[in-house]
Amino acid sequence: ETGVTQTPRHLVMGMTNKKSLKCEQHLGHNAMYWYKQSAKKPLELMFVYNFKEQTENNSVPSRFSPECPNSSHLFLHLHTLQPEDSALYLCASSQEGTGNTIYFGEGSWLTVV
Amino acid sequence: SQQGEEDPQALSIQEGENATMNCSYKTSINNLQWYRQNSGRGLVHLILIRSNEREKHSGRLRVTLDTSKKSSSLLITASRAADTASYFCATVEYGNKLVFGAGTILRVKS
Repeated sequence: ETGVTQTPRHLVMGMTNKKSLKCEQHLGHNAMYWYKQSAKKPLELMFVYNFKEQTENNSVPSRFSPECPNSSHLFLHLHTLQPEDSALYLCASSQEGTGNTIYFGEGSWLTVV
Repeated sequence: SQQGEEDPQALSIQEGENATMNCSYKTSINNLQWYRQNSGRGLVHLILIRSNEREKHSGRLRVTLDTSKKSSSLLITASRAADTASYFCATVEYGNKLVFGAGTILRVKS
């Protein structure tokens, strides 16, 4: 238990569906992240939020839409995804600033059919 | 863009042996971190070494950093079957943007 909780753990969705991934951190952190982990590829940073403001969008397609309503919650809204978007999506949190440990959730396995 | 690159890609050893994994990176960094990931699970932070540090220890883990060669190594001593996992290095150039390498898959045989 790292203090970062992701739901759902597994999700299967069709290409025309709309779904959301949820992340909640109980560590009092003020920065949250979404990472994508595909088979045989390094973890890819998708989005960074510092103090609820998006500070990094790593050229992510618009079919992925993040939302950070407060420092403890982060969502990833999914719409009209492609099969190649199937991956493990990892949420993480940390204190904002350089040199702080980043804590990861267990991830949400997404399969797009 | 990928920053850290681990070597080897896969490593298989016997229980009790030491495991050494290496990481190389391209740009100046503020710190370098090592993470572990059990199959299909989230990443667990192991150790952080800052650019002005050369070596750190944590239990059976020893990390070195050579900024002149832009490389780091992770040594796990007296390995156990439970150490079987993927190990990733990640670098921080500035702020809190962590960039990961492709990882080393470690298998410890009992």
